[in-house]
Amino acid sequence: DTAVSQTPKYLVTQMGNDKSIKCEQNLGHDTMYWYKQDSKKFLKIMFSYNNKELIINETVPNRFSPKSPDKAHLNLHINSLELGDSAVYFCASSRQGSNTEAFFGQGTRLTVV
Amino acid sequence: SQKIEQNSEALNIQEGKTATLTCNYTNYSPAYLQWYRQDPGRGPVFLLLIRENEKEKRKERLKVTFDTTLKQSLFHITASQPADSATYLCAPGTYIPTFGRGTSLIVHP
Repeated sequence: DTAVSQTPKYLVTQMGNDKSIKCEQNLGHDTMYWYKQDSKKFLKIMFSYNNKELIINETVPNRFSPKSPDKAHLNLHINSLELGDSAVYFCASSRQGSNTEAFFGQGTRLTVV
Repeated sequence: SQKIEQNSEALNIQEGKTATLTCNYTNYSPAYLQWYRQDPGRGPVFLLLIRENEKEKRKERLKVTFDTTLKQSLFHITASQPADSATYLCAPGTYIPTFGRGTSLIVHP
């Protein structure tokens, strides 16, 4: 059983398009995250949701919008895609509170051409 | 602002030797620190968590130390194997897991 699953694994699209990445976790966790890993492998937090509510929104363009229909899902919508959005996007989840490990999905490699 | 530093250069060692990776942090005092492993094309996987009141923690061939005075954690892999080759990320504890850039370890047979 996959604990944190993302779809799609690969996404190639043209500049200006709108796309979504889906994430689901079956661990019963209350907190979910989206991270972006750039070409230099730096893993940077984008969003964090706790019980379907946004906790943190780092400096991310408004074109990125997370949506959490329920505790088990946190989807990422990206509008008007730009070349610089090309990266690997990881979804993760953890139990509520600090001092807990995060479980990551396998990542979605987004390529904007 | 909070800063996390890990050696950006890859660490190359021979099989059987002990690998030691360093994580330094500044401008905050985390109550704990986590280490993760990331393989190419995969998401990070949790390895160990050490709390501020613990000097050392072990798990099989892994050992982590946490020096809150030096603001540093050392991650050791003893009797290293080629299968240990990966990128290792440290995450000094904050409410949201925040990672260093990671150090690539390459273990040569």
